[in-house]
Amino acid sequence: DAGITQSPRYKITETGRQVTLMCHQTWSHSYMFWYRQDLGHGLRLIYYSAAADITDKGEVPDGYVVSRSKTENFPLTLESATRSQTSVYFCASSETGGRWGETQYFGPGTRLLVL
Amino acid sequence: DAKTTQPNSMESNEEEPVHLPCNHSTISGTDYIHWYRQLPSQGPEYVIHGLTSNVNNRMASLAIAEDRKSSTLILHRATLRDAAVYYCILRGNSGGGADGLTFGKGTHLIIQP
Repeated sequence: DAGITQSPRYKITETGRQVTLMCHQTWSHSYMFWYRQDLGHGLRLIYYSAAADITDKGEVPDGYVVSRSKTENFPLTLESATRSQTSVYFCASSETGGRWGETQYFGPGTRLLVL
Repeated sequence: DAKTTQPNSMESNEEEPVHLPCNHSTISGTDYIHWYRQLPSQGPEYVIHGLTSNVNNRMASLAIAEDRKSSTLILHRATLRDAAVYYCILRGNSGGGADGLTFGKGTHLIIQP
């Protein structure tokens, strides 16, 4: 019963480097989401995906790239990391993506520090 | 999504009931009321949701006012493990596609032993 996992859990990188955060879910949920959480901002949506090969932008997509070649994986890439991308990143999934009674299930988070 | 208002923090004693309020005066008729919580250093987790009627599950109860402009999350017997930030979130029908959850600042619940 793994559910939704994220790796790495902690990452330190330098400005300008490429970083990929991984997200894996075992429920075969159609929808997956990436959020970032910063002090004073709460959680904000970066990107989401409705199915394999279907992705769309959220509230704060600039500087991030996503892909979804398999239903169970949804990696988030910072192509050239900046200090402002220091944050805690959460991946989530949901069965249908419908907005009413939908429940989203969150991973444990990745703490990223960009020096 | 309509806006919600919650107290910044609340304090309660262990093994006592806790009532966490949420105001949502601009709620629309099709908005569901969701509650999530976030324990320290963890991702948010779903607690409960409802539309009009009061709801119960193994974690909590949700009491919804008759005019739906407010709701209360009830933890019947708080434990130290219930110390977390609790978020009240309204979810409506976008008519298509998916959007993320809109988290406000939530209520920081402190449980005293």
